[in-house]
Amino acid sequence: EVQLVESGGGVVRPGGSLRLSCAASGFTFDDYGVSWVRQVPGKGLEWVSGINWNGGSTGYADSVRGRFTISRDNAKNSLYLQMSSLRAEDTALYHCARMGNPNYYNYYMDVWGKGTTVTVS
Amino acid sequence: EIVLTQSPGTLSLSPGERATLSCRASQSVSISFLAWYQQKPGQAPRLLIYGASSRATGIPDRFSGSGSGPDFTLSISRLEPEDFAVYYCQQFGSSLTFGGGTKVEIK
Repeated sequence: EVQLVESGGGVVRPGGSLRLSCAASGFTFDDYGVSWVRQVPGKGLEWVSGINWNGGSTGYADSVRGRFTISRDNAKNSLYLQMSSLRAEDTALYHCARMGNPNYYNYYMDVWGKGTTVTVS
Repeated sequence: EIVLTQSPGTLSLSPGERATLSCRASQSVSISFLAWYQQKPGQAPRLLIYGASSRATGIPDRFSGSGSGPDFTLSISRLEPEDFAVYYCQQFGSSLTFGGGTKVEIK
């Protein structure tokens, strides 16, 4: 079964740091780009960051650029999001999502994880 | 940043009726870079349409996408009970942004 499972969410103070992980299974991880997308409960979707298949191309939303860093470890079939200088407005459910093209950090997303919750308070 | 404006915010319809959802981009977006998603409460989004009009794997043919930059449309020909949900458009021609969503609710 194709699956993405996020972990690492929790409660953190403003100004603090947190590292999210996403474990991929059921497909060849390095055949795809992957992204992080967040959602405040009851609100819409916001793309946070994306990375291409080998990590050579990354992109960030303006709201997180300079504070968040995306990375991947293809040997471990894992995606990461290092979050620092966290703010209350970063509070959300964070999904990882597989993208339909290996070469870009921004593409449509055909597989989604259920998400991990980050609360900055 | 390309802003996607979805309308209406809420669509109240009965099962069996046709739904027409709009997505307007603040700048021209190539049809290759426009996608639609469905999200039900407590679930992750699901890809419905990519390339403005191509259905994703397993998506019923009552879902169809059309349009060209800046105006795109998602149509659901005959609403089934499981289609009542929130729908988002997404563009990835310039960075990546989502529209604010349209909720399709039972009338």
